[in-house]
Amino acid sequence: QSVLAQPPSASGTPGQTVIISCSGSRSNLGSNYVYWFQQFPGAAPKLLIHKNDQRPSGVPDRFSGSKSGTSASLDISGLRSEDEADYYCAAWDDSLSGQVFGGGTKLTVL
Amino acid sequence: QVQLVESGGGVVLPGRSLRPSCAASGFSFSHYGMHWVRQAPGKGLEWVAGMSYDGSNQFYADSVKGRFTISRDNSKNTLYLLMNSLTTEDTALYFCVKDTYSSGRGGFDIWGQGTMVTVSS
Repeated sequence: QSVLAQPPSASGTPGQTVIISCSGSRSNLGSNYVYWFQQFPGAAPKLLIHKNDQRPSGVPDRFSGSKSGTSASLDISGLRSEDEADYYCAAWDDSLSGQVFGGGTKLTVL
Repeated sequence: QVQLVESGGGVVLPGRSLRPSCAASGFSFSHYGMHWVRQAPGKGLEWVAGMSYDGSNQFYADSVKGRFTISRDNSKNTLYLLMNSLTTEDTALYFCVKDTYSSGRGGFDIWGQGTMVTVSS
């Protein structure tokens, strides 16, 4: 059972917008930044969004993040076949004094 | 370029120890917190341990507290994870990860490719 809750799967057709949610509590998302990662099979995770809504250079602007209270979301617009991957949210948890992850969302492009 | 390269994984018997390491390059290693994150085969990401830029603060997941020790040598730009009393539950790919803050309480940005640890009799 992960501290941050994510849907195990999501799907969409090319061109659509998919939203992946991440739900936490006051001690993690309510107090700290959320980070989002993309992971392809057999590869290391890659940073997609940092500090709630900031995109590192090189990440397409089709990816956007937001946070409100104890919930966050990753929006992927103009869905492409190459977006098919696993997506994870993460944040520091003040009560646990550690980093916490969501369980991951497997995105399928139909 | 910014790079983290892990080494030192392998196959080990239950109850034994292992100490993977992570060589950093391309950034000021001594200015940032660092972490180890693991991923068991077919499973999600699990944070294992973290440490502040100067080693003064260490943080551990409950699953490894008392068995694992994170450390760093800033003169060698290297991060370590001493893993004792290993069990089959510790079998995973171990990633070295850079924090965005010096405190180690921020978030992750740069990831290594990982080193595989297999605990098996």
